[in-house]
Amino acid sequence: DGGITQSPKYLFRKEGQNVTLSCEQNLNHDAMYWYRQDPGQGLRLIYYSQIVNDFQKGDIAEGYSVSREKKESFPLTVTSAQKNPTAFYLCATQETVSYEQYFGPGTRLTVT
Amino acid sequence: QKEVEQNSGPLSVPEGAIASLNCTYSDRVSQSFFWYRQYSGKSPELIMSIYSNGDKEDGRFTAQLNKASQYVSLLIRDSQPSDSATYLCAVRGDKIIFGKGTRLHILP
Repeated sequence: DGGITQSPKYLFRKEGQNVTLSCEQNLNHDAMYWYRQDPGQGLRLIYYSQIVNDFQKGDIAEGYSVSREKKESFPLTVTSAQKNPTAFYLCATQETVSYEQYFGPGTRLTVT
Repeated sequence: QKEVEQNSGPLSVPEGAIASLNCTYSDRVSQSFFWYRQYSGKSPELIMSIYSNGDKEDGRFTAQLNKASQYVSLLIRDSQPSDSATYLCAVRGDKIIFGKGTRLHILP
């Protein structure tokens, strides 16, 4: 069963704590992306990775960090430096030829 | 600043009618165009991709691309209540940019 999994679906944290969001894929896609979505807003790019052991900052990378040690996995850490971390976080993979992006189910993070 | 613009809606369409969703983009060198559907509380789901001028049909959905006018649209024929969702337009030049989406409401 091919797809993208994100866990957990809902995550609650206290302010000041770092938290890591999981993203795993078995679509064999090289490129992976992290977006955040706020109510009434479009998708904003946090980080992306075109290949293992390489990643680039997106438009709103401050307060976030990523790693790409395996093709299948692209975890996102939301650090305490992120001013407004409460949001819906979406992981996506991208097909090499078509550039189509496919999204995981998302993680809804609430920080209080 | 490269942009993708969509009317936020809501766009209300009677059941069985044609829903027309529009998107304009600013980057003239854009090559790939995508429509996603997003139900409330869920992640976006790819509906259509289009890469060349003209129409592309897939079931009840038709994507239309006009690169000269920098305009891409999505038509939904025989609209169903299950089509009620937010539709995101995405455009890829040197990177992919998403519009903020149009909320579509199909009236039973």
